[in-house]
Amino acid sequence: DIQMTQSPSSLSASVGDRVTITCRASQSISSYLNWYQQKPGKAPKLLIYDVSNLQRGVPSRFSGSGSGTDFTLSIAGLQPEDFATFYCQQSYTTPYNFGQGTRLEI
Amino acid sequence: QVQLQESGPGLVKPSGTLSLTCVVSGGSISSSSWWSWVRQPPGKGLEWIGEMYHRGSTNYNPSLKNRVTISVDKSKNQFSLKLTSVTAADTAVYYCARHDYGDYVSYFDYWGPGTVVIVSS
Repeated sequence: DIQMTQSPSSLSASVGDRVTITCRASQSISSYLNWYQQKPGKAPKLLIYDVSNLQRGVPSRFSGSGSGTDFTLSIAGLQPEDFATFYCQQSYTTPYNFGQGTRLEI
Repeated sequence: QVQLQESGPGLVKPSGTLSLTCVVSGGSISSSSWWSWVRQPPGKGLEWIGEMYHRGSTNYNPSLKNRVTISVDKSKNQFSLKLTSVTAADTAVYYCARHDYGDYVSYFDYWGPGTVVIVSS
């Protein structure tokens, strides 16, 4: 199995800040890396697919980068609605493992 | 706009079988997508359970493989999850999701709202 490790596990920030979350795969996953946002009591929402492609309707303040085993999710100019938990996920091979999550708090 | 909705018993007895159904609307289950189940134990992260293609192919998480069956009912545009020999560790929110594929891309783009399943006597 490919293990996905996110850091940090939690992060405190303020409205307007820029934050970065990292995700490391235990082996190369090419560009098969997706990011999801989950708010309490809600289903995950696809934010970014294929490392850096924004899903329809996702604000441009979200961006992704990386390749191989190391990836990042950045949010520029945090908005109040951005405070949530973020998960990376590899879709290179089954089982399609997720990272453990990064909780972004005010 | 594709929509998914999970349904099934919210309480299952230990050693019993968990059975859930996901109804797909706004799109055909016989499309080129795969259809997945993902779960989330209370306060924890996401775990992919498995997926199926409408022609019958399936992939399962090895951690659950011996206990999981995912099947399709094309006439009702729905797919189902069965998990046998459940324990308290199977208590979770269960989500169904569409797993879409493109040229060198693959992602879960539509999700159901989730259904809570508690394993308890």
